[in-house]
Amino acid sequence: ILNVEQSPQSLHVQEGDSTNFTCSFPSSNFYALHWYRWETAKSPEALFVMTLNGDEKKKGRISATLNTKEGYSYLYIKGSQPEDSATYLCALNTGNQFYFGTGTSLTVIP
Amino acid sequence: NAGVTQTPKFQVLKTGQSMTLQCAQDMNHEYMSWYRQDPGMGLRLIHYSVGAGITDQGEVPNGYNVSRSTTEDFPLRLLSAAPSQTSVYFCASSYVASLSYEQYFGPGTRLTVT
Repeated sequence: ILNVEQSPQSLHVQEGDSTNFTCSFPSSNFYALHWYRWETAKSPEALFVMTLNGDEKKKGRISATLNTKEGYSYLYIKGSQPEDSATYLCALNTGNQFYFGTGTSLTVIP
Repeated sequence: NAGVTQTPKFQVLKTGQSMTLQCAQDMNHEYMSWYRQDPGMGLRLIHYSVGAGITDQGEVPNGYNVSRSTTEDFPLRLLSAAPSQTSVYFCASSYVASLSYEQYFGPGTRLTVT
């Protein structure tokens, strides 16, 4: 069992604020790092799949970075909007198996 | 494309009963997997399959069986339900996992075992 940790557990920000969360994972088992967005009463939707040390990915106002040597990834949201409210999950892919963190719950206050 | 579908959406079982959770995908994905979601815990992998006829255990396989007779379907069987199996179950699929393709999740099945 591999331990994937996410912090903070929850976050409340004002509309327009920028924010970021962290995903930490054991670097020795790394194959890829996935980020998902999970809205209440829906199922997780993929945001990014990151494979290379130093990777940076961007989708609109959301971006992510990856450091495989030290075992962490950051997710950034620029200018948060109420529709960004969701739980953001990261998952370590070790080849054929995925280990998920418990997520960061983001609430954007209008 | 319907994507990943799961049935039923809700199910209540008595301890000791058996049932099968259905999962199907129409994207010709080789990789399919089952997860359970419990409060305060991340999604935990139960079983996975990298293609028809091939299955393997994940992190929490005890009490569950799977089979993969076709590319499209990946049912999860509970042989003798226990209250500890009360959870929300998600099925997911992707192109070959080792190539790091993103997973597509089904809508989930909420199971209660009394």
